[in-house]
Amino acid sequence: GAVVSQHPSRVICKSGTSVKIECRSLDFQATTMFWYRQFPKKSLMLMATSNEGSKATYEQGVEKDKFLINHASLTLSTLTVTSAHPEDSSFYICSARRGLAGNTGELFFGEGSRLTVL
Amino acid sequence: GENVEQHPSTLSVQEGDSAVIKCTYSDSASNYFPWYKQELGKGPQLIIDIRSNVGEKKDQRIAVTLNKTAKHFSLHITETQPEDSAVYFCAARTAYSGAGSYQLTFGKGTKLSVIP
Repeated sequence: GAVVSQHPSRVICKSGTSVKIECRSLDFQATTMFWYRQFPKKSLMLMATSNEGSKATYEQGVEKDKFLINHASLTLSTLTVTSAHPEDSSFYICSARRGLAGNTGELFFGEGSRLTVL
Repeated sequence: GENVEQHPSTLSVQEGDSAVIKCTYSDSASNYFPWYKQELGKGPQLIIDIRSNVGEKKDQRIAVTLNKTAKHFSLHITETQPEDSAVYFCAARTAYSGAGSYQLTFGKGTKLSVIP
């Protein structure tokens, strides 16, 4: 299957700092990437849809100024958690859609990034 | 919007037995149904998927069935092994909106434990 790389896998930061998480599709181009947040023993919660070359689309209740998303190329999307607080601690996962425009693409997930805000 | 229900939330089976996880969806326009396996501390991994024009798909010990009329689909794992222990998520894709999105709606997951 296709490979999606997410970095860093773990990050610990102090409250008030910003953290950037990268999501790369290594062997395919991804016009669309998705960012999820997962709480312990829970399902994935979609945060935003990232489209290459345009602004991300955020789900209801997700602060776009808090979670900055940039999709500057067909293989890279970044999520920046700004002014992080302990309640932002979570497991963040990205996914990338492989395939042509339309409804035929498969989704492949990154390995996830565990953020801990002290 | 789409709503996906997944059952059971936990499942324990003896090694070698079969495991079945069931999901139902609400949007009759959904046309793609993937299954993901998530091991502790890792991202979900696609293990099998099925599209609405197919009723069953099999890949070695894993199979998925789809009943469009009843709007439910199931994951079947035969001859389970300890390494099958993980959390499994089903998902359904809403119809293409034309807005360039490809959103999946996930079930809440099933924690499968295979007892040696």
